[in-house]
Amino acid sequence: DQQVKQNSPSLSVQEGRISILNCDYTNSMFDYFLWYKKYPAEGPTFLISISSIKDKNEDGRFTVFLNKSAKHLSLHIVPSQPGDSAVYFCAAPTNAGGTSYGKLTFGQGTILTVHP
Amino acid sequence: NAGVTQTPKFQVLKTGQSMTLQCAQDMNHEYMSWYRQDPGMGLRLIHYSVGAGITDQGEVPNGYNVSRSTTEDFPLRLLSAAPSQTSVYFCASSSTTRQETQYFGPGTRLLVL
Repeated sequence: DQQVKQNSPSLSVQEGRISILNCDYTNSMFDYFLWYKKYPAEGPTFLISISSIKDKNEDGRFTVFLNKSAKHLSLHIVPSQPGDSAVYFCAAPTNAGGTSYGKLTFGQGTILTVHP
Repeated sequence: NAGVTQTPKFQVLKTGQSMTLQCAQDMNHEYMSWYRQDPGMGLRLIHYSVGAGITDQGEVPNGYNVSRSTTEDFPLRLLSAAPSQTSVYFCASSSTTRQETQYFGPGTRLLVL
């Protein structure tokens, strides 16, 4: 049972344009979401998060939107840069509604390629 | 401050061999986890620990053992390697105050023949 899903394996955009990465979830108890970025041969690094009490969180070029009724979140990168080319994972704390102890449930990941 | 370190970076094993993947963190984090990453599957939790001496199973624990004798170290043991354990393994840690923000190591790429 994939509780966090990223249905687009890959996305290709032109430098300077907007990148939109999507994520859906099935567990309505999830109340916090995170995006991680992963370069080849490196571990994932935390990018941005959002609590379910908000519908938007912004950090520089990165904005995450949350639509609780649709159980959908998206990560917008504006403007996209070649250095943004990486795999992006969305994730949610595994023990929804309780103490996660750091455990996360991840989506499958989306490979973003930004062309110069 | 090295963060989370993992050794080795790459390992080739034969079916049935055993090995230990090492993980250490220098951030004094209480929580540590092991994940495996497979194509199309994202990262899946193998085992986790909430402190020295306390470990528990994650989503895919079969074939793996862990122990945590110190706050810093969290080794992952493969008792009898199988080709299905070919994967990239990531160790992660987080603090009790920001437990969802995991810090990941660089990974160990394991090939089981």
